[in-house]
Amino acid sequence: EAAVTQSPRNKVTVTGGNVTLSCRQTNSHNYMYWYRQDTGHGLRLIHYSYGAGNLQIGDVPDGYKATRTTQEDFFLLLELASPSQTSLYFCASSEGTEQYFGPGTRLTVL
Amino acid sequence: QEKVQQSPESLIVPEGAMVSLNCSFSDSASQSIWWYQQHPGKGPKALISIFSNGNKKEGRLTVYLNRASLHVSLHIKDSQPSDSAVYLCAVRNTGANTGKLTFGHGTILRVHP
Repeated sequence: EAAVTQSPRNKVTVTGGNVTLSCRQTNSHNYMYWYRQDTGHGLRLIHYSYGAGNLQIGDVPDGYKATRTTQEDFFLLLELASPSQTSLYFCASSEGTEQYFGPGTRLTVL
Repeated sequence: QEKVQQSPESLIVPEGAMVSLNCSFSDSASQSIWWYQQHPGKGPKALISIFSNGNKKEGRLTVYLNRASLHVSLHIKDSQPSDSAVYLCAVRNTGANTGKLTFGHGTILRVHP
């Protein structure tokens, strides 16, 4: 089964702080995705990528940057974190349409 | 932009009951529809998908797709307490081959012993 790991699992930062969320997949999938999950909004796509060096804008990209450094690694960057970015963040990877999700990172911005 | 709506928001059933979950979507040309299961503290996991009109059965799960009415349903037979989770409907968008999915808000299912 596809393996997707995320770190850290929990993160607390202050308004204006810098945060980097990491994701690694070990199945050589081309596609990787970053989502946020909030009560009342479901899962929303922030950014995605179909290979090292490639980046595509998702549906809720404001305030987020992403970087895909290798086939395996996809990072989400919050350079000036705001309380509205408090959320549960999921990374996923896919080769076809089935997406394999990581365990999530809970981010709190105070 | 694709819109995906799920009903009911939550459901409580006794063990052994048949469970029916609903999902409506906005684009009749959507390529495929997926159901994901998410247990507390975990990431979503794909359960079953359907592309063609009609139904598809896998074990205790049956999914029905009606493209004309833009509706898909998931039925869980002989529900178990371990089925308690959030069920997410996801629609694969048309256009570029991105594998991009649009998710509904989910249905919270609780199966009590």
